[in-house]
Amino acid sequence: DTAVSQTPKYLVTQMGNDKSIKCEQNLGHDTMYWYKQDSKKFLKIMFSYNNKELIINETVPNRFSPKSPDKAHLNLHINSLELGDSAVYFCASSSTTGGRTEAFFGQGTRLTVV
Amino acid sequence: KQEVTQIPAALSVPEGENLVLNCSFTDSAIYNLQWFRQDPGKGLTSLLLIQSSQREQTSGRLNASLDKSSGRSTLYIAASQPGDSATYLCAVSDLKTIFGAGTRLFVKA
Repeated sequence: DTAVSQTPKYLVTQMGNDKSIKCEQNLGHDTMYWYKQDSKKFLKIMFSYNNKELIINETVPNRFSPKSPDKAHLNLHINSLELGDSAVYFCASSSTTGGRTEAFFGQGTRLTVV
Repeated sequence: KQEVTQIPAALSVPEGENLVLNCSFTDSAIYNLQWFRQDPGKGLTSLLLIQSSQREQTSGRLNASLDKSSGRSTLYIAASQPGDSATYLCAVSDLKTIFGAGTRLFVKA
C-alpha cells in the first residue's frame, strides 16, 4: 500500500559503474520528481516529469538521465558514478489537477560510491 | 529565483514546551506550502499542507500559518514531546517544490 516506493533502499557501488534507481507511485498523480539530499541534509530538486514529459531539469550532470515509461514510474539512471554522487535520492509525486496537491515522498535511496 | 530559509537551524527544548518554527520565502507566487518531518535516516512525512488561498491548517498539536504577502510561514507545536524530535522541513511549490534547510528539533524528556 506504499504510496511512493523506491528501489533499492541502499546502493553501494564502485566509481565508474552505471546504476539505476526505480520509483513507482500508486496515487494516480501526474507529476513525479527526483531530489538529492546531500551530506548537509539539504534537499535539492533534480528533475520533474509531468505526464511523462520532462518539465524541470535543474543543473545536473548529464550522467544523470531520468526515464518515465508511464505516469506512475520515474526511474533515474546514473552513468559513470563519481564519489560526489554519494547522497540520498528521493522520489516524490504530486498532482496538478485542480491546483497543486501535497507532495508525497518515497523513503529514499542511500547511494554510496566507493 | 525562489529561496526558502528556516530559522532556527536547531532547537532544543524541554518536554511540554510550546514552540514555533519559522519559514520564509522570497517569491510569494506559490501554489502551496508544505511542512514535512524527517527522522534520521528516514524519508519525509508530510505534516501539513497550506494552499496559497488559505491562512492556516491544523492537525492535532500542530498548527501552520501562511502569510503569502510577507513570504512567511510558522509551524506551531503545542505541548512538545520527545517523539517530536526530528528535522522539520518547509517547502514551497510553484512549478517545483523548493525546500528550506530544515530545523533540527530535540525535545528533552
